[in-house]
Amino acid sequence: AQTVTQSQPEMSVQEAETVTLSCTYDTSESDYYLFWYKQPPSRQMILVIRQEAYKQQNATENRFSVNFQKAAKSFSLKISDSQLGDAAMYFCAYRSAGSSNYKLTFGKGTLLTVNP
Amino acid sequence: DAGVIQSPRHEVTEMGQEVTLRCKPISGHNSLFWYRQTMMRGLELLIYFNNNVPIDDSGMPEDRFSAKMPNASFSTLKIQPSEPRDSAVYFCASTLRRGGRWDQPQHFGDGTRLSIL
Repeated sequence: AQTVTQSQPEMSVQEAETVTLSCTYDTSESDYYLFWYKQPPSRQMILVIRQEAYKQQNATENRFSVNFQKAAKSFSLKISDSQLGDAAMYFCAYRSAGSSNYKLTFGKGTLLTVNP
Repeated sequence: DAGVIQSPRHEVTEMGQEVTLRCKPISGHNSLFWYRQTMMRGLELLIYFNNNVPIDDSGMPEDRFSAKMPNASFSTLKIQPSEPRDSAVYFCASTLRRGGRWDQPQHFGDGTRLSIL
């Protein structure tokens, strides 16, 4: 079974600075997708960014980018120019691309605090 | 475009009462998921529907929980009778499965915070 590990239960960053959240995963598959979801205090689960395993290029969405290291099974999220609104719980998630694999496996989350 | 819509946003009820949570998936999506989130267990998949048919309900905790999807635009999760340990945030999520491939992300609703007294 696939597992997703987020080793940092909590992180903090100063406003306007950069922070990197770590995620590692364990799988024997070669075709899969990785996601970062953000859950602010309002408790919405918001998709931040996704990465296809077959793509070597790291995904980027505005201030959010990932460092995808397939061989190391690492998928970190970098937030540049941090804003107060970035404060949230961040979940890393894995899903196989295979037709019978619909389950989204989540890490336990990293709570990000942004200090003004 | 409207996202996944869940209701109610909050539900507080007494132990033993029936609770019904509702979900409207994104139009055009053919797959729907119910999750439960607690501090202890994180996000757990309860049940998965594809084209309105329940495919995997192995995550449903016990017979007190049931879920239905009568049509492509509506699903319910029912707990009867409810117990204090059912208190959690319940999320509904939907996605589009294309050609047997899971290449689209799941989009979540805002969740229902359920408190059983």
